Amino acid sequence: KAGVTQTPRYLIKTRGQQVTLSCSPISGHRSVSWYQQTPGQGLQFLFEYFSETQRNKGNFPGRFSGRQFSNSRSEMNVSTLELGDSALYLCASSYQGTGGPDTQYFGPGTRLTVL
Amino acid sequence: GESVGLHLPTLSVQEGDNSIINCAYSNSASDYFIWYKQESGKGPQFIIDIRSNMDKRQGQRVTVLLNKTVKHLSLQIAATQPGDSAVYFCAENSGGSYIPTFGRGTSLIVHP
Repeated sequence: KAGVTQTPRYLIKTRGQQVTLSCSPISGHRSVSWYQQTPGQGLQFLFEYFSETQRNKGNFPGRFSGRQFSNSRSEMNVSTLELGDSALYLCASSYQGTGGPDTQYFGPGTRLTVL
Repeated sequence: GESVGLHLPTLSVQEGDNSIINCAYSNSASDYFIWYKQESGKGPQFIIDIRSNMDKRQGQRVTVLLNKTVKHLSLQIAATQPGDSAVYFCAENSGGSYIPTFGRGTSLIVHP
């Protein structure tokens, strides 16, 4: 099976702009989670989608939003970019059957730089 | 809130040595643990997992040990190779939560 894919891999934006990142999960996986990774804060959970619904949400401002499509692909959007939004954005997918938490498998990430 | 942490931020070893990376967790309800490896410029890669009904699990050159009494998790890498150089994260799920809590990571440096 193909792994989790993320596009684009690299992105440079300026303050005030908005950005949309895309994630395609492993085939058959129904849960998609998004994380922000920075050297200072480590891996921080943004939100999780399951069956096109946001099921869990981290502690990020409303400028960060996401959605999931019927084919489980997901996008996240950041509006009004700030310098502090520069980070590696990681997407992770899992099957999420009925047996409790499953292993999350990560994509390569999108490196966002805000100038 | 409760969190997962790591004892050592950096571990340097010689090629061929065995490496041990430690992780402490504070949530006694945690029942599923995962170790990830993240190489520079890449996303975290699943290495091995263990559920709370086990004390030990072995993979290829890796062993995870779980001590629930002291809430401690460790990853042992046998015959460490330069390709093992990376940041290693432990993560835990608790009480049916679908979202793991990640530790801050330990950087493993393997010297040839």
